[in-house]
Amino acid sequence: NAGVTQTPKFQVLKTGQSMTLQCAQDMNHEYMSWYRQDPGMGLRLIHYSVGAGITDQGEVPNGYNVSRSTTEDFPLRLLSAAPSQTSVYFCASSYEGRGTGELFFGEGSRLTVL
Amino acid sequence: GENVEQHPSTLSVQEGDSAVIKCTYSDSASNYFPWYKQELGKRPQLIIDIRSNVGEKKDQRIAVTLNKTAKHFSLHITETQPEDSAVYFCAALSNDYKLSFGAGTTVTVRA
Repeated sequence: NAGVTQTPKFQVLKTGQSMTLQCAQDMNHEYMSWYRQDPGMGLRLIHYSVGAGITDQGEVPNGYNVSRSTTEDFPLRLLSAAPSQTSVYFCASSYEGRGTGELFFGEGSRLTVL
Repeated sequence: GENVEQHPSTLSVQEGDSAVIKCTYSDSASNYFPWYKQELGKRPQLIIDIRSNVGEKKDQRIAVTLNKTAKHFSLHITETQPEDSAVYFCAALSNDYKLSFGAGTTVTVRA
């Protein structure tokens, strides 16, 4: 199993550009989530999904969209990038659909918005 | 929503000593409390977790305690070793399945 795969690992955007961070898992996990990590602020939940076709907002959803059309994929879309979205983004998945199990994280995607 | 506070933000200990990290949470309905370790440049990894129906759990040199009445839980690392140096995050799962993390504790083990 590859686990949780995120692409790209690094990306530089200009303000106003859009992009999609891809996340795929091959473990048949029901629960998937996106976090951003900023110095001194820990991991903040952006969006999460308890199963295919179901998504919900986390703590910091503004400026981001997600979809969950399949169990395997959970892409994160930045609609109009802003410098405040410069961060490291982590996708994570868990077998337990309610989130009460180990979260497996991807390697992270470092995004810089100029 | 859930608010998780973590203290201290940094912790320096002598090798062989114990380290304790404390977290509080706001949502009394939260029922699952994991701890993650993140080494420099790596992804977070689960080290131990505890559910709301258990007061304490131990795994070799690490242990977690939970006080539901006071809404706080703690991580204890005994006989610290250099490889314990990392950032540690506590988290709490609310009943709407959101896992909220604390801000992290940077632990440095001095040789």
